[in-house]
Amino acid sequence: DAKTTQPNSMESNEEEPVHLPCNHSTISGTDYIHWYRQLPSQGPEYVIHGLTSNVNNRMASLAIAEDRKSSTLILHRATLRDAAVYYCILIAGGTSYGKLTFGQGTILTVHP
Amino acid sequence: DADVTQTPRNRITKTGKRIMLECSQTKGHDRMYWYRQDPGLGLRLIYYSFDVKDINKGEISDGYSVSRQAQAKFSLSLESAIPNQTALYFCATSDYGTGGADTQYFGPGTRLTVL
Repeated sequence: DAKTTQPNSMESNEEEPVHLPCNHSTISGTDYIHWYRQLPSQGPEYVIHGLTSNVNNRMASLAIAEDRKSSTLILHRATLRDAAVYYCILIAGGTSYGKLTFGQGTILTVHP
Repeated sequence: DADVTQTPRNRITKTGKRIMLECSQTKGHDRMYWYRQDPGLGLRLIYYSFDVKDINKGEISDGYSVSRQAQAKFSLSLESAIPNQTALYFCATSDYGTGGADTQYFGPGTRLTVL
C-alpha cells in the first residue's frame, strides 16, 4: 500500500481556517485519498475523500495537487469541536474491499 | 439510536480467559470490520467480512477469531486473552461501493484490559 506522511501536530485558533497537509508521493493512479478524524474517546469518523478533483462537503474541502502527490484537508472555520486526530489514508481503487490503513495522523489543537 | 453499537464498552479480564466482543449495526451494510488501537498509534485491521459467508484475516489476526452471525452482527473473540491484547477495539461497517471509495462507519469502541 502507498504510504502517507502527515505532520505530527498542528495548532489553530477558533474560527480561523486550517490547512492539514498530507504527502503521498508514491500514490498510484487508482488510489483514492480519504480523510478520517478521531475525536477524543470516539471512533474514527469519515470526513471526505477524492480521486483527482477537489471536493467539498459540509464538513471540509479536499484540495488535491495536480500531480496527486499531496493533498490538503481544509477546515474553513475551525471550532473547538474540530480538535481531533486527522488521518490521511490511501485506498487502492479496484480492490474488492475498502481496507483502511491508519498511520499516526495529525493531532489538531484548536485554541479558543 | 447509534447505527453501530459495541458491547461491552469496557471490560477487564484476566490472562487466559475467553472474551467475546460484539458488534451490531442497523445500517444494512454487508461489510464489517474489526480494528484495534493501541495508545498513540493508528488503527490496525484484525478481521473483515464482506457478507455472512465471507471472513478474511487482516494484518494482526493471530490470537483472535470472529463470527458473522448475521448481516447485522459481527463478533470478535479472544480465545485466551493475554496482556498485550489490552487495547481499544473498534467495529466498523461499510456498504459496497466503487473499490477505493467505501466509507466506513465506526462504533464507539470497547476498551479491553487484560491483567
